[in-house]
Amino acid sequence: DIQMTQSPSSLSASVGDRVTITCRASQGITTYLAWYQQKPGKVPRVLIYAASTLQSGVPSRFSGSGSGTDFTLTISGLQPEDVATYYCQTYNSAPQTFGPGTKVDIK
Amino acid sequence: EVQLVQSEAEVKKPGESLRISCKGSGYTFTNNWISWVRQMPGKGLEWMGRIDPSDSYINYAPSFQGHVTISTDNSISTAYLQWSSLEASDTATYYCGRSLHGLDVWGQGTAVTVSS
Repeated sequence: DIQMTQSPSSLSASVGDRVTITCRASQGITTYLAWYQQKPGKVPRVLIYAASTLQSGVPSRFSGSGSGTDFTLTISGLQPEDVATYYCQTYNSAPQTFGPGTKVDIK
Repeated sequence: EVQLVQSEAEVKKPGESLRISCKGSGYTFTNNWISWVRQMPGKGLEWMGRIDPSDSYINYAPSFQGHVTISTDNSISTAYLQWSSLEASDTATYYCGRSLHGLDVWGQGTAVTVSS
């Protein structure tokens, strides 16, 4: 089974900062990777799929890149409403494992 | 509008059985897999398994195999997650999600509390 890791586990940044979260798969998954945002007490929502495709309605400050085993989610200009936990997930095959999450808050 | 609507919160005792539901609307239910995701209190997301409603093919994550059962009733566009004997460690919020390039639509979640 594919294992997913994320780093860092948490971060604190200022409004307007560029934030980067890394996700690593234990084996190659080409670009079968999605990123989710979960705000406190809310349902997760998909931000990015196919490693770099922005889901409809998601602000353009979110972007994704990578392929194979290494992926990044970038927030270009952190906003107060971006306080959330971010998860990556592989959907290459079952089990479709989530990463452990990265908690983002405002400094 | 594509929606997944889940059943209401449940409070159960250890050893009891439970079935929770996830009703799809706004799309052809049999066209997309449905996944189930667990979130224990204060913890991350865990993928439990998925079902292809078109042929009832199921994949389970190893840690959930044998402990839960996933099924669908396509006549009412509904997926189910069921337990035959709950444990206190099953206390969590459970989400269903439509599989399309990851999980593009999520249910609102069903909170399950198992306590004696």
